[in-house]
Amino acid sequence: QQQVKQSPQSLIVQKGGISIINCAYENTAFDYFPWYQQFPGKGPALLIAIRPDVSEKKEGRFTISFNKSAKQFSLHIMDSQPGDSATYFCAATSDRGSTLGRLYFGRGTQLTVWP
Amino acid sequence: DAEITQSPRHKITETGRQVTLACHQTWNHNNMFWYRQDLGHGLRLIHYSYGVQDTNKGEVSDGYSVSRSNTEDLPLTLESAASSQTSVYFCASSEFERGHNEQFFGPGTRLTVL
Repeated sequence: QQQVKQSPQSLIVQKGGISIINCAYENTAFDYFPWYQQFPGKGPALLIAIRPDVSEKKEGRFTISFNKSAKQFSLHIMDSQPGDSATYFCAATSDRGSTLGRLYFGRGTQLTVWP
Repeated sequence: DAEITQSPRHKITETGRQVTLACHQTWNHNNMFWYRQDLGHGLRLIHYSYGVQDTNKGEVSDGYSVSRSNTEDLPLTLESAASSQTSVYFCASSEFERGHNEQFFGPGTRLTVL
């Protein structure tokens, strides 16, 4: 059973456009929601993360929107650039219990930004 | 600078052979993880460890084993390699920090089982 569901599987956006990737989770014990970015031939790296006590977090062109009641969160990339072309993974974890420290990943979204 | 390394970066082996993938981190992190990445499946957890002598099974642990004899290393062993284990393998490490749970990933090992 997949703990975190991610969509779409692939996304093509024109340069300057907005890229939006969505994730949903079921486990209400999750309290930390990171996004990882992976370039071809590299390991994933933390991009931005949010905790459920806030509804939005922004870092530069990247914004996480969080809807606790709907158990959904999304990544918005404003003014998308060709250098943003990568695979993006959402994830969820908890600071307590048996899943402490363990990340549950979505299946990933391959983003292509056309110049 | 602290880092996490994996070796080899590429490996070709034959069905039935035992294979060990190395993972070494200099972050001094207690937590270490092994994932496999396959198209359409994302990152799937194989095994993980919260410290020396501690190991736990992830969601796709069949056919794999790990052991943790020190803080820095978590080798992943494929007891009898199968073609279904052809994949890219990533090691990661982290430390518990309230409010922040970042995992640092290695560069990956591409394994082909013929």
